[in-house]
Amino acid sequence: DGGITQSPKYLFRKEGQNVTLSCEQNLNHDAMYWYRQDPGQGLRLIYYSQIVNDFQKGDIAEGYSVSREKKESFPLTVTSAQKNPTAFYLCASSKVQGYTGELFFGEGSRLTVL
Amino acid sequence: GESVGLHLPTLSVQEGDNSIINCAYSNSASDYFIWYKQESGKGPQFIIDIRSNMDKRQGQRVTVLLNKTVKHLSLQIAATQPGDSAVYFCAENTAGGYQKVTFGTGTKLQVIP
Repeated sequence: DGGITQSPKYLFRKEGQNVTLSCEQNLNHDAMYWYRQDPGQGLRLIYYSQIVNDFQKGDIAEGYSVSREKKESFPLTVTSAQKNPTAFYLCASSKVQGYTGELFFGEGSRLTVL
Repeated sequence: GESVGLHLPTLSVQEGDNSIINCAYSNSASDYFIWYKQESGKGPQFIIDIRSNMDKRQGQRVTVLLNKTVKHLSLQIAATQPGDSAVYFCAENTAGGYQKVTFGTGTKLQVIP
């Protein structure tokens, strides 16, 4: 079955540590996205990429970094510079050609900073 | 700036009744409007979309209405079922250069058996 796989599902981090969240897709989509969701709130865009080796900052990119070395993979690093990293992180992908706004989401990664 | 917002944070509906979830948007340049459903602890799932040059689109048990005059979007769910209980987000897509989807804050739909 095609889809998006995020790992780990739950992650605990001490303050000052960087952590990397994995996102892999086998939908052959060109575009990939990272969103952050806080309790009772909508999704806010962190980074997005439409093509390998290229990505753009979203609305809340500070304290985060990404890479897009392969079409299938778009890992997100939450750095120690992110002041409030505890959140639910969602990765998504979409077509570029014929795109209508439909995103395919993974199951999410819940990060807790201790 | 652009924003997508919802009128009600929580909606309680009797099983079998119709549900209407509303959304206001502010970006007139958006070309697609989308509804997503998110169940607890999961990622959002696409329900239905509507292009900005349309005012109504129907799917299976769902209808989306778009009123560009007042910048209002609604999702109607017919014969609401317990499995419809979730948080519903409206979102807008702004094209041009890099595609970008902006989400609203969500409405929680509670179905009363």
